[in-house]
Amino acid sequence: SQTIHQWPATLVQPVGSPLSLECTVEGTSNPNLYWYRQAAGRGLQLLFYSVGIGQISSEVPQNLSASRPQDRQFILSSKKLLLSDSGFYLCAWSPPNQDYEQYFGPGTRLTVT
Amino acid sequence: GQSLEQPSEVTAVEGAIVQMNCTYQTSGFYGLSWYQQHDGGAPTFLSYNALDGLEETGRFSSFLSRSDSYGYLLLQELQMKDSASYFCAVRRRVGSGGYQKVTFGTGTKLQVIP
Repeated sequence: SQTIHQWPATLVQPVGSPLSLECTVEGTSNPNLYWYRQAAGRGLQLLFYSVGIGQISSEVPQNLSASRPQDRQFILSSKKLLLSDSGFYLCAWSPPNQDYEQYFGPGTRLTVT
Repeated sequence: GQSLEQPSEVTAVEGAIVQMNCTYQTSGFYGLSWYQQHDGGAPTFLSYNALDGLEETGRFSSFLSRSDSYGYLLLQELQMKDSASYFCAVRRRVGSGGYQKVTFGTGTKLQVIP
């Protein structure tokens, strides 16, 4: 069966510090991978998605970036965090061409202070 | 333009039936997904409708009317554990290259009361 891992679960970082969140998927090959951010009590905002190694599409221009160095690894990064980057970050995967059926990791709650 | 609307909150009684609506306005519509998210947790996939009609999975059913640009999620025999947020998500075509995109609604917070 497929499993998605995401860490850390919580993170408190000062403004201006770098960020690296990692997500890995097990039990599937060539998945679509996604990074979302969710503000408290709000919907899901798609940040990045990837259909393959090295293929990243950005949905929202901001100080975040994403990379996919391996088939089942997706990394979200920032060089300098802003207060507005606080939120709940979710990684998800879907089978290829089945983006309507996404499976989410446990999420990382990021607080920028 | 694109829009996706869900009521922000719904309250229902344990054991009853509740319907949560989702209306959308978009071009290149492919289908509508539903997800459940408990407070502090991650969303979980419930269902996907690409064709008109009702799809049933246990206590959960999802309905789609493409002509009305409308769908709903129906929960029967409500249990306290069903208290959660429910998101609809539209899958649509973008551009001319056959690419798809999924956009989530803002969600309906369901509160089940005894």
